[in-house]
Amino acid sequence: GAGVSQTPSNKVTEKGKYVELRCDPISGHTALYWYRQSLGQGPEFLIYFQGTGAADDSGLPNDRFFAVRPEGSVSTLKIQRTERGDSAVYLCASSLLVDGELFFGEGSRLTVL
Amino acid sequence: AQSVTQPDIHITVSEGASLELRCNYSYGATPYLFWYVQSPGQGLQLLLKYFSGDTLVQGIKGFEAEFKRSQSSFNLRKPSVHWSDAAEYFCAVGRGGGYNKLIFGAGTRLAVHP
Repeated sequence: GAGVSQTPSNKVTEKGKYVELRCDPISGHTALYWYRQSLGQGPEFLIYFQGTGAADDSGLPNDRFFAVRPEGSVSTLKIQRTERGDSAVYLCASSLLVDGELFFGEGSRLTVL
Repeated sequence: AQSVTQPDIHITVSEGASLELRCNYSYGATPYLFWYVQSPGQGLQLLLKYFSGDTLVQGIKGFEAEFKRSQSSFNLRKPSVHWSDAAEYFCAVGRGGGYNKLIFGAGTRLAVHP
């Protein structure tokens, strides 16, 4: 059975570069979330999609961060002009119901040099 | 503002011993409370959740947690720990009646001695 798939699992980039992180949720799950987990911290909410639309993007730290989900399935988190402080594990989760159990992927570890 | 505190960063127990992981929360209304486990190379997995009703909640893998409103706590317990329980444990609070915009604690890393 397919769980939440995230690619790449690891990404190393240089400061100032553009990065895309992809999330493929469980088939049929309409709710999709992005969280960010910095070293030694718990996950921090970034954005929530219900279907194709971003219902809550209040956790995005600044306008360098953007996420899309054009067909209501796969989502891409986009980070422009990366900074060293963006280094973290980016977690994607999906759920069948709006307030249903979250199923998390293994995350994409981003390192900005 | 909502917040979650997990006072213990690291805990070490012997296999077969009992376990209690502490979680305190700050939330203005009745909270939705969760415990997740994160093992190396795996995604976060839900152990149990509390929405309402019975304050003692049973979860997977033999875990339970008790909601104590007067103490703003939701401590996780297991009567007998197995070596496979070694992992990081996160407590989280969510807003009721809506989607899962969870606030996580910083986590407690559990080590199990044979």
